Amino acid sequence: QIHLVQSGAEVKKPGASVKVSCKASGYIFPNYGITWVRQAPGQGLEWMGWISAYNGKTTYAQNFQGRVTMSTDTSTSTAYMELGSLRSDDTAVYYCARVWPIDYWGQGTVVTVSS
Amino acid sequence: DIQMTQSPSSLSASVGDRITITCRASQGINNYLAWFQQKPGEAPTSLIYRASTLRSGVPSRFSGSASGTDFTLTITSLQPEDFATYYCQQYHSYPYSFGQGTKLEIK
Repeated sequence: QIHLVQSGAEVKKPGASVKVSCKASGYIFPNYGITWVRQAPGQGLEWMGWISAYNGKTTYAQNFQGRVTMSTDTSTSTAYMELGSLRSDDTAVYYCARVWPIDYWGQGTVVTVSS
Repeated sequence: DIQMTQSPSSLSASVGDRITITCRASQGINNYLAWFQQKPGEAPTSLIYRASTLRSGVPSRFSGSASGTDFTLTITSLQPEDFATYYCQQYHSYPYSFGQGTKLEIK
């Protein structure tokens, strides 16, 4: 079975960075990309960008340009999303998902930004 | 950027009903449209891609269709487990935007 297992909840202070991991299993990791989507409390889904696990090419949504870095480690079939200069409105659940189109989702990682 | 406008934003229905949710793209997306279901406290799950192709394991009471820039998700004979929030997403042009969601509630 295909699984995407994300790292645990994080609490960060404003201005800090957070790095979320997404470990894939059950398929050939380089054959697909990974996208990241976030959901603020009580809100809808927001697309952040994606990375090709084949060649590491990234495309980021304009809203996150300059603050987000997506990467992969093919030796461990793991994708990472690092978001910097955190603000309180970055408090959200962050999801990874296999693409394209999205088929499998991770379970989500709660990131809380609070002083 | 392509805007995805979902309607209605909320919907009340009864078990056994047939419902339709609409997603309108602000420009052509060549049917690169997916539908997702999300239950409270859970990650989304994937239902349909390329506007009308059902994911393996998704019940046949779910269907998707397209007409130009208008896309519909139809659920026939609603079951208790179908009450959830539904989102569309276009994956034709960056940024790959989502609709704002439709919350389907029990009447």
